[in-house]
Amino acid sequence: GESVGLHLPTLSVQEGDNSIINCAYSNSASDYFIWYKQESGKGPQFIIDIRSNMDKRQGQRVTVLLNKTVKHLSLQIAATQPGDSAVYFCAEIRSNRDDKIIFGKGTRLHILP
Amino acid sequence: NAGVTQTPKFRVLKTGQSMTLLCAQDMNHEYMYWYRQDPGMGLRLIHYSVGEGTTAKGEVPDGYNVSRLKKQNFLLGLESAAPSQTSVYFCASSTPTGRVTDTQYFGPGTRLTVL
Repeated sequence: GESVGLHLPTLSVQEGDNSIINCAYSNSASDYFIWYKQESGKGPQFIIDIRSNMDKRQGQRVTVLLNKTVKHLSLQIAATQPGDSAVYFCAEIRSNRDDKIIFGKGTRLHILP
Repeated sequence: NAGVTQTPKFRVLKTGQSMTLLCAQDMNHEYMYWYRQDPGMGLRLIHYSVGEGTTAKGEVPDGYNVSRLKKQNFLLGLESAAPSQTSVYFCASSTPTGRVTDTQYFGPGTRLTVL
């Protein structure tokens, strides 16, 4: 919701440009990662996932890149549209250990007209 | 399908009051979860359930109780509300295989303020 977004870093992108949202994860044992989109006043929505045996995965207009060396995850959104305005956060999971999910704090994506 | 629904959407309580948040899902999911979301923090798991009649503690269970009497419903109770429980609460459910790597479907949230 809005109150959550007020404390988050914001990325402002011109409509039509590509967006890159970054996430640093905490545990080298995490083997599964998810990106969520949360629009104002709504619950999180699954966008795309990636397993640790992959470096890149593409969906419709979205690409997730995983760099295990530096524990970094990024979400690329191509040709950003007004409907992409939301808070985006990553989640890391240790599916081969305790299945614990750790959610990131998120980044607010603001689309400029 | 309505997906995951939550009742109520908003609520204001006074310190010490009690209330129950209701989560319902019509997707026949085995797993259900309750999270809280606070400014500047990621979602934190309160309690979860792996099936009807079962519940388990998550990361921040203190001050909350849950029940899963029916597969489609997961209730979150606050027996004596405290201002620290002011938050947005999200319910989620996941696909029948029950693995955490399965997609979690979230409800729209309940915004709770404790005065």
